[in-house]
Parts: sequence; structure tokens; C-alpha cells
Amino acid sequence: DTEVTQTPKHLVMGMTNKKSLKCEQHMGHRAMYWYKQKAKKPPELMFVYSYEKLSINESVPSRFSPECPNSSLLNLHLHALQPEDSALYLCASSPKSGQLYNEQFFGPGTRLTVL
Amino acid sequence: EDKVVQSPLSLVVHEGDTVTLNCSYEVTNFRSLLWYKQEKKAPTFLFMLTSSGIEKKSGRLSSILDKKELFSILNITATQTGDSAIYLCAVPGAGGTSYGKLTFGQGTILTVHP
Repeated sequence: DTEVTQTPKHLVMGMTNKKSLKCEQHMGHRAMYWYKQKAKKPPELMFVYSYEKLSINESVPSRFSPECPNSSLLNLHLHALQPEDSALYLCASSPKSGQLYNEQFFGPGTRLTVL
Repeated sequence: EDKVVQSPLSLVVHEGDTVTLNCSYEVTNFRSLLWYKQEKKAPTFLFMLTSSGIEKKSGRLSSILDKKELFSILNITATQTGDSAIYLCAVPGAGGTSYGKLTFGQGTILTVHP
């Protein structure tokens, strides 16, 4: 299995809803990432998990709450989002060996629309 | 702060043309440079470059890194309409609080007309 999967593919939610995005990889990668991407812009990093521990939070608002239940799974819990949070949310993973940094492999993304 | 700049920002060519996309970078403690192709959804990995002057090749795509001049180029020969995409260049952070962070360039939007 050489891919990163994400569910759902599309999500429409109201500003008062609570929803979760899910990401899974079975490549044995020990680093996992959440990115947000707006149209015609590069991905913006939100969170990095390394060995199931949160290592980077790029000053993301608390209405986004990441969770890494195990080395294969990464969730992003959403609550009280704003319409400007509508975007493509990408999950990625990378092998991690010591201080060397490897390429990141991206999932297909979840297209989120906040009404 | 790490910085990655791509040029041109957009490019329109016809099938069969050859294109060269540019990526320059300013990073502390450089380790590698990555190229991705993004069509409708997720970026797909193309190349990782770590050594200067060594060309990486995959079919009609090739890339090379110049660590002295701090840039990389991505070449696509005999372009096809399926090459139409956004091409992203990215540099991973290494060490300290930037470890694990990819800094992306703005991307080059390539459009290949039949």
C-alpha cells in the first residue's frame, strides 16, 4: 500500500456543526501533516505530527483540533468554522529517519465548504 | 525565514514544446528540494534533489539542482496536454522549529494547448 487516503472527499458544513476529517497511511511513515490549500495558492502547513506527537502547530485557530490516534491515522476535528475556512484540506506523510528529511506524499484531499 | 520563489508564475505553450520552470531558494541548513505536480487534487511527488549537478530524470521530465547558485530547474520536453498542471517547488525545513515544515513556492501554472 503506497498511498495516503482521506475521507470524506467532499464536506459541506454549517458554522455550528462539528465534523472530522480522516487520513490514513500504511507505508510505515512516522511523520504526518495537515495542510490547507486555497485556490491557486500553494498548500499552507497547519500541523505536523512526528511519532504520534504534535511537533508543529502553525498558529492554527483552536476551531481546528488535530489528533493522531496511532502511527497510521490522523484526524482533524472541526468545530464552529467560518466561511473563510472553506478550502482543500490535504494530509501528507513522510518517512522520517534521524535528522534526514524525506519527501512528503499527499492524500487526495477533502474539499470543505463552510456555509 | 525560508523562502522559495518560482518563475514564471504561468506559462502557455503548445503540444511538442519544451518548457523550463525555475525555482530559487533561500533556506538555512539546506538538505533537499522537492518538485510536485498538482492537477485537480493532491500534489504528486516528482523529484527530490539533494546533490548539485546530478540530473534526475523520469520520462520527459528532468530536474537539476545548483547548490552554489541556490536554484533548481524542471524541464519538460515534448509537452502534452496532460502536462497541464501547477508545478510546485518546495524545500523542507531542517532543524529547530522548522523541522518537518515544507516551504512551497507560489507554483507555476502550465497550460499546454493541443
